Amino acid sequence: AQSVTQLGSHVSVSEGALVLLRCNYSSSVPPYLFWYVQYPNQGLQLLLKYTTGATLVKGINGFEAEFKKSETSFHLTKPSAHMSDAAEYFCAVSAFMDSNYQLIWGAGTKLIIKP
Amino acid sequence: DSGVTQTPKHLITATGQRVTLRCSPRSGDLSVYWYQQSLDQGLQFLIQYYNGEERAKGNILERFSAQQFPDLHSELNLSSLELGDSALYFCASSPKFNNEQFFGPGTRLTVL
Repeated sequence: AQSVTQLGSHVSVSEGALVLLRCNYSSSVPPYLFWYVQYPNQGLQLLLKYTTGATLVKGINGFEAEFKKSETSFHLTKPSAHMSDAAEYFCAVSAFMDSNYQLIWGAGTKLIIKP
Repeated sequence: DSGVTQTPKHLITATGQRVTLRCSPRSGDLSVYWYQQSLDQGLQFLIQYYNGEERAKGNILERFSAQQFPDLHSELNLSSLELGDSALYFCASSPKFNNEQFFGPGTRLTVL
């Protein structure tokens, strides 16, 4: 069965510092991988996704993630944090079960930006 | 704006009551998913409908039920409400043969 593990329920970085949010997955088939962001009092919004092809995926707001099959990881990074990046981030892997796509979700990581 | 709409935005009710949450998916999307998000449980998948039929069930309580109508909008019915049902309820939709989900803004349910 597929599963997703996000390391750290809270991550705190200083404004201007590197952001690194970790996601590891388990999947018996080539995965489709997603990062979603949830700003306070809003719904989830797709940041980026990996389906096939280039393993480095660029998303919105300067975020990118790299699919590493050997490490079963899909970590999210941003070179320089901005106060507006404060949000909760969810990693998800797509599972095809019973002729149907579902997303298996990580528990989420709250990103805190220190001034 | 994802194109998914949810009503109402906020709902305050009492224990034991019954409420209905409504979701309209993006134009053309056939799948609708319902999620519950609470502080202690995180994001929990409840149920999925595809073109009017139930396709997958997650951690949905027996007190909760859902349906998807011919115009593809969906309703989530929560009955015999308990304090612990207070949460954000999200609806998401996705196109056929696509695994990306588009989320609505959510309904915040408060049970007093």
